[in-house]
Amino acid sequence: LAKTTQPISMDSYEGQEVNITCSHNNIATNDYITWYQQFPSQGPRFIIQGYKTKVTNEVASLFIPADRKSSTLSLPRVSLSDTAVYYCLVVLNRDDKIIFGKGTRLHILP
Amino acid sequence: DVKVTQSSRYLVKRTGEKVFLECVQDMDHENMFWYRQDPGLGLRLIYFSYDVKMKEKGDIPEGYSVSREKKERFSLILESASTNQTSMYLCASSPLSGGSGANVLTFGAGSRLTVL
Repeated sequence: LAKTTQPISMDSYEGQEVNITCSHNNIATNDYITWYQQFPSQGPRFIIQGYKTKVTNEVASLFIPADRKSSTLSLPRVSLSDTAVYYCLVVLNRDDKIIFGKGTRLHILP
Repeated sequence: DVKVTQSSRYLVKRTGEKVFLECVQDMDHENMFWYRQDPGLGLRLIYFSYDVKMKEKGDIPEGYSVSREKKERFSLILESASTNQTSMYLCASSPLSGGSGANVLTFGAGSRLTVL
């Protein structure tokens, strides 16, 4: 069964860079790594996706090492509004069964 | 600019009632999903569908059924609601699989169901 492992929670301070690492040891050759952000009482929203090396957009960066068994979401200079749950997603099944892990609850402190 | 619409934001039902949760997407996506979310348990997949009239069980299908008569609409049905089905229900859609797009889900705002 598909499985990703992330820290349950993290705290950081405003203005800091935050890195959240996800382990996905059984990732398949063609699988992409996708990250979502969820605020309370809302559905998750897509923030970034990558296959290898590094991807950057206006929200975050995603670092993927050569073996692709893990990935790191990097949020530059976080603010209070970045307090949310962050999910790492890797589709490991060919039948498109998309399974989310429990996510990382990020709490930004002033 | 709403792309995945869930019909009810909040519902209160009684044990034994039949409950319908409706979800409509306007992005012409092939895949649609129903998740439930409970504190400490994350998002759990109930059912998904990759085509009209097709459905596949997720991790926790017991007590639920689904219907997909049209591409844009995916309904979740609780035949006889129970208190342990009190939860936040989230609908999502994504494009056809075979590439990176299948992992990019667009979620609705959620439907919070309370069963008394």
